[in-house]
Amino acid sequence: QKEVEQDPGPLSVPEGAIVSLNCTYSNSAFQYFMWYRQYSRKGPELLMYTYSSGNKEDGRFTAQVDKSSKYISLFIRDSQPSDSATYLCAMSEANTGFQKLVFGTGTRLLVSP
Amino acid sequence: NAGVTQTPKFQVLKTGQSMTLQCAQDMNHNSMYWYRQDPGMGLRLIYYSASEGTTDKGEVPNGYNVSRLNKREFSLRLESAAPSQTSVYFCASSEALNTGFFGAFFGQGTRLTVV
Repeated sequence: QKEVEQDPGPLSVPEGAIVSLNCTYSNSAFQYFMWYRQYSRKGPELLMYTYSSGNKEDGRFTAQVDKSSKYISLFIRDSQPSDSATYLCAMSEANTGFQKLVFGTGTRLLVSP
Repeated sequence: NAGVTQTPKFQVLKTGQSMTLQCAQDMNHNSMYWYRQDPGMGLRLIYYSASEGTTDKGEVPNGYNVSRLNKREFSLRLESAAPSQTSVYFCASSEALNTGFFGAFFGQGTRLTVV
C-alpha cells in the first residue's frame, strides 16, 4: 500500500463548477500538507500548504486537512478552463529538518468551457 | 527570478551511455532534490541533499549518483543508462521546515529517453 493515495482521474467538470480533489494517507507522522498544480510538460507549482489540521483559503482555492481520518482535500470554486491540470498532493513529517516530501500520483482535472 | 534551472530539457541516450543532468537554484535554499516522474507512479525521490556537503539516497537511487557541487548546484549522473531510466526528471529545492517556508520549488524538468 502506498503511503499517499490519490485518484488519478481524469475528473471532468464544466466551467464554474466546484471541484473537490482528495488524498488519503497512512503515515500518522505527516504534519505538513501541500497541493501542487502541474500543467502538461511543466514542473509542479506549489499552490497551497497547511500545517497540521484545519482549513486554509486562498482566493478560489481551499485546502482542508482532517488528520483524524488521514484525509486531505483541495476545493476549487468557480473552476476555469485554465485550472485544467494535474493536481498533486504532497506531505512531509515534522521531525525532518528538511522537507522530504511524499507525493500522491496526481489527479488530472479537465474544466470544459 | 530564475528559481530552479535544469539542463538539458530533452535528451536521448543509447543504452550504456552516461550523462549528467545539471540543476541550479538561485533562492539560497539549503536542501535540493532529484525526482523522477513516471505515468501512474507519481514523483519518486531519487536522491536528496539536506544541506551543502551532504547527500542521501531516496526511494529509487539504483543506477544514479549525485554531487552537491556547492549550495546552488546539484547534479544527477547516470553512469550506464538503461531503458528503465526513461522518465521525466525534476530537480527541486526547499528551505528547512523550521524557517516557516513550506513546500519545494521545482524546475521545468528533463525529458530523458533511453533507447
